[in-house]
Amino acid sequence: DSGVTQTPKHLITATGQRVTLRCSPRSGDLSVYWYQQSLDQGLQFLIQYYNGEERAKGNILERFSAQQFPDLHSELNLSSLELGDSALYFCASSVSQKNTEAFFGQGTRLTVV
Amino acid sequence: QKEVEQDPGPLSVPEGAIVSLNCTYSNSAFQYFMWYRQYSRKGPELLMYTYSSGNKEDGRFTAQVDKSSKYISLFIRDSQPSDSATYLCAMSASSAGGTSYGKLTFGQGTILTVHP
Repeated sequence: DSGVTQTPKHLITATGQRVTLRCSPRSGDLSVYWYQQSLDQGLQFLIQYYNGEERAKGNILERFSAQQFPDLHSELNLSSLELGDSALYFCASSVSQKNTEAFFGQGTRLTVV
Repeated sequence: QKEVEQDPGPLSVPEGAIVSLNCTYSNSAFQYFMWYRQYSRKGPELLMYTYSSGNKEDGRFTAQVDKSSKYISLFIRDSQPSDSATYLCAMSASSAGGTSYGKLTFGQGTILTVHP
């Protein structure tokens, strides 16, 4: 167990809907990262927050948004969902801003039908 | 062309074999190199981290980086059935201030099976 908690573990929803994925980082970690893992694209970096501020942005779609709250938990919001958004979404956390020290959660499996 | 290329396998070896996993990359700015292990339905777990070129050993695992060839390897000695997993290489460029933050670029992963 990495200490990074993601909820829910599984989510099934219809196209056009909006969902929120939640991540609680390890105790003491200030950075949170979001990744998307699909069979064809592999693991793709979406966004990093550090102590509440956006630190780095990857190939995150405009339909997706994220934030990190004062208690350091983070949420990833996915809207106007499409079939192609079906994937595993991972959250990772690290003490510092260094992505070389990140620990991954178990992931949320999103299925869009 | 992808920035990081990794042979997806699958790779099947007998218990006790030496396993060699490899990645090539095209971005010469990459300076931080990592290997992750991912079991089915689990998140990636960091195995090894190397900065710049050279070798690093940790128990049965050895990571090698050859920046001149843009090639990294992970060797697993005395492989065990519990090593059966997907192995992902990941890389990052140095950012302002000399640290690495933000994006890790992952390979597609190599599926390894070690049979008894």
